[in-house]
Amino acid sequence: QKEVEQDPGPLSVPEGAIVSLNCTYSNSAFQYFMWYRQYSRKGPELLMYTYSSGNKEDGRFTAQVDKSSKYISLFIRDSQPSDSATYLCAPLGGSEKLVFGKGTKLTVNP
Amino acid sequence: EAGVAQSPRYKIIEKRQSVAFWCNPISGHATLYWYQQILGQGPKLLIQFQNNGVVDDSQLPKDRFSAERLKGVDSTLKIQPAKLEDSAVYLCASSTGEETYGYTFGSGTRLTVV
Repeated sequence: QKEVEQDPGPLSVPEGAIVSLNCTYSNSAFQYFMWYRQYSRKGPELLMYTYSSGNKEDGRFTAQVDKSSKYISLFIRDSQPSDSATYLCAPLGGSEKLVFGKGTKLTVNP
Repeated sequence: EAGVAQSPRYKIIEKRQSVAFWCNPISGHATLYWYQQILGQGPKLLIQFQNNGVVDDSQLPKDRFSAERLKGVDSTLKIQPAKLEDSAVYLCASSTGEETYGYTFGSGTRLTVV
């Protein structure tokens, strides 16, 4: 079993839609959970992170972690064409190592 | 604050040739990482440095890959000899080590082995 599983999509939605992106993980020792956004031909950039279980909101983005089910979610409200990118979930493992999922490619159509 | 600088941006080589990538991390960042991202997949850690020392190189194919970080600043990653399956984007990232800040990635070097 891979440490982090993420549906690669691709996912295509109309502008203004609510987007739900999800990951599962197997290592119960993970405490920090990052979401990175990667535009085409660019490196990943940190979007937001959550510590342990719970929700965190930042503008149109909400990150959610359920440690009991080892489930990570990212919600995007009022999605915009500029949100079109690949979204990578990445729990933080030991020695500050990020363990990335495959990434979900999102396209928001005007 | 300047970002993580990588060069070259693109490289095309023939199999069995050698290639080197360079990374300059953000000033003051003690930890430096090299990741390999194959098309359609998430980045995979190759090697992690803490200052000059190697913290983790368990997934580095040491028969052909090598990396060094001189004086705890710049780093180079070398592949010799290259194989077709080495075609990927090689990402360098750096961090302060504070978990909540995550990493800062460079734009990567896109390697094509033909």
